[in-house]
Amino acid sequence: ETAVFQTPNYHVTQVGNEVSFNCKQTLGHDTMYWYKQDSKKLLKIMFSYNNKQLIVNETVPRRFSPQSSDKAHLNLRIKSVEPEDSAVYLCASSLWVEQYFGPGTRLTVL
Amino acid sequence: AQSVTQPDARVTVSEGASLQLRCKYSYSATPYLFWYVQYPRQGLQLLLKYYSGDPVVQGVNGFEAEFSKSNSSFHLRKASVHWSDSAVYFCAVSTPNTDKVVFGTGTRLQVSP
Repeated sequence: ETAVFQTPNYHVTQVGNEVSFNCKQTLGHDTMYWYKQDSKKLLKIMFSYNNKQLIVNETVPRRFSPQSSDKAHLNLRIKSVEPEDSAVYLCASSLWVEQYFGPGTRLTVL
Repeated sequence: AQSVTQPDARVTVSEGASLQLRCKYSYSATPYLFWYVQYPRQGLQLLLKYYSGDPVVQGVNGFEAEFSKSNSSFHLRKASVHWSDSAVYFCAVSTPNTDKVVFGTGTRLQVSP
């Protein structure tokens, strides 16, 4: 049963555009994450957000920014997309160390 | 810092055969260990986890994993695979007193008919 919801499923855009992806969890978890998964299925953590504390992976370009209205929502904004941003973006939540993932948003940058 | 290695990028087995997917971790003490599975066009799902106690842990769909402190390993096993087990499997490690989880590079399992 899905408890971490992501929208949209797919998004195609052009270089330089701004995009925003939504994530909502109904598990009551305190921590949420964004991961980037490349075409080889490698997972790279981008952000974690817990009780309004944001932890940023220092390798993430500044055009990426998380946005949270409450602990159940963590959106991802990309200010000006680049071709290398094409990937699947996975949202997850956790109460401790067990993570629960959404289905992902596949971004294609033309 | 902890790390995890999955030495096999791809594994192919015949339906009905047994399976072992390898996972090695690096950490000075006993970590928390996980296996996740990712089916096509889906997110990751937790298969099983080890925190302490019995080194053999059971998961969903007949999967089990065995923790070995001496080998720093947490290999995943299944006695008889089904075609629907075709997916990417990720080993992950975390440590006490932190909520940081490190994922391996994944092993793509292909079950042939």
